[in-house]
This record gives sequence, structure tokens and C-alpha cells, in this order.
Amino acid sequence: DTEVTQTPKHLVMGMTNKKSLKCEQHMGHRAMYWYKQKAKKPPELMFVYSYEKLSINESVPSRFSPECPNSSLLNLHLHALQPEDSALYLCASSQERAGVGTLHFGNGTRLTVT
Amino acid sequence: AQTVTQSQPEMSVQEAETVTLSCTYDTSENNYYLFWYKQPPSRQMILVIRQEAYKQQNATENRFSVNFQKAAKSFSLKISDSQLGDTAMYFCAFVTGNQFYFGTGTSLTVIP
Repeated sequence: DTEVTQTPKHLVMGMTNKKSLKCEQHMGHRAMYWYKQKAKKPPELMFVYSYEKLSINESVPSRFSPECPNSSLLNLHLHALQPEDSALYLCASSQERAGVGTLHFGNGTRLTVT
Repeated sequence: AQTVTQSQPEMSVQEAETVTLSCTYDTSENNYYLFWYKQPPSRQMILVIRQEAYKQQNATENRFSVNFQKAAKSFSLKISDSQLGDTAMYFCAFVTGNQFYFGTGTSLTVIP
């Protein structure tokens, strides 16, 4: 069983919809991440939260809006997406301290934008 | 700039045989960790093995072992007694600070 839980597992949305992806971990980790992954490609970093503050935004379009309500939860709000945004969205967490950070991944949300 | 290179996009191995996946990286940092992650068709990224750069001893985890050559910036993964469940994408990665850098992946197929 994964220690990082993502919901939903699958999501189909139209370009005018608003939806949210959710991620939860209870390992006491203080860093949480959103990655986007296309088929047969490595994960691409989108956002990093460290101690509930956004520390890295990899120039992600504003139609993706992250939120970290507390140290255990991470959301990704989606609005006005494009078909090319269809991908696997992975959440991960790690201990915040540098060099100790093994990434623990969730099972991902498979997003399809129609 | 930090880069990770996996030069073998696809590999195959007979069940019960041994296979080695290669990975090279480039960094000017001295303190970092190296990882191999496995991603089966079920899509979860699973940690296979981890190596601290300051340790000379190669990490081993059951059938998985690494050959870490720090001077050559090489970090290969050896899988012994390959099993059908080893079929997956394998990503090499390293972390320095709180940033992870992934290679492009090697798709491994274990043939019955």
C-alpha cells in the first residue's frame, strides 16, 4: 500500500471545467511535490511545497494552481485546461532536509482533457 | 547544470538471468544521493535502491545492486535472477538540495 494517497485515480474533464486533484500523506514529511508525466517519459517537476510554503514553481501555466492547506495535504486546482495537459499527475513527499529526501510517490491521477 | 543520462531506452532479459542498466550523471555538487526508481504498468513510482554519494560501498537490496563510480559519475543497476514482475520503466535520479533530477528512463522487459 502506498503511503501517499492521490484522488481521484482517473479524471476526464472538458476544457471549460474546474476540477481539483488531491494528495495526502501521513509520514510527517514537510516537502510535497507535484509532477506531470507523459507516457514513457520521466516525471517533470511542477511545484514544490516546503513547510507548507511554495518554494519552487517551474514556470507552470496559471491554469494549474497548487494549494497546501496543511502539512499533510496538497491540492492541484485545474481550470481551463488544454488537451495537451492530458497526462499522469504524480504527487510525492519527502523529508525537507537536504540530502535525506527519498521521494515517496502516490499512484497518480490519470487526467484526460477533452 | 545537473543532468542524468540513461543511454538504453529499451532492454530485455530472460527470466532468471542478470541485466545491468546504465546511468551517468553530471553535477558539480559533492553531496548528493542517487536513486533507482521502478515504474511498472500499474504506474506507481517505487524506490528500488538508494546510494549516498559519500559512501564508497555499493548499495544492495536483495536482487538489486548498484555499481557506483563517483569519479566517473556512473551509477548502474544490476538486477539478478530477473523475474516477470521486474518488467517496468526504470528511472535513475539524483537529488541535491531538495531538487530531484531524473534520467529519461529504460524500459525493461523480462521474457518468460
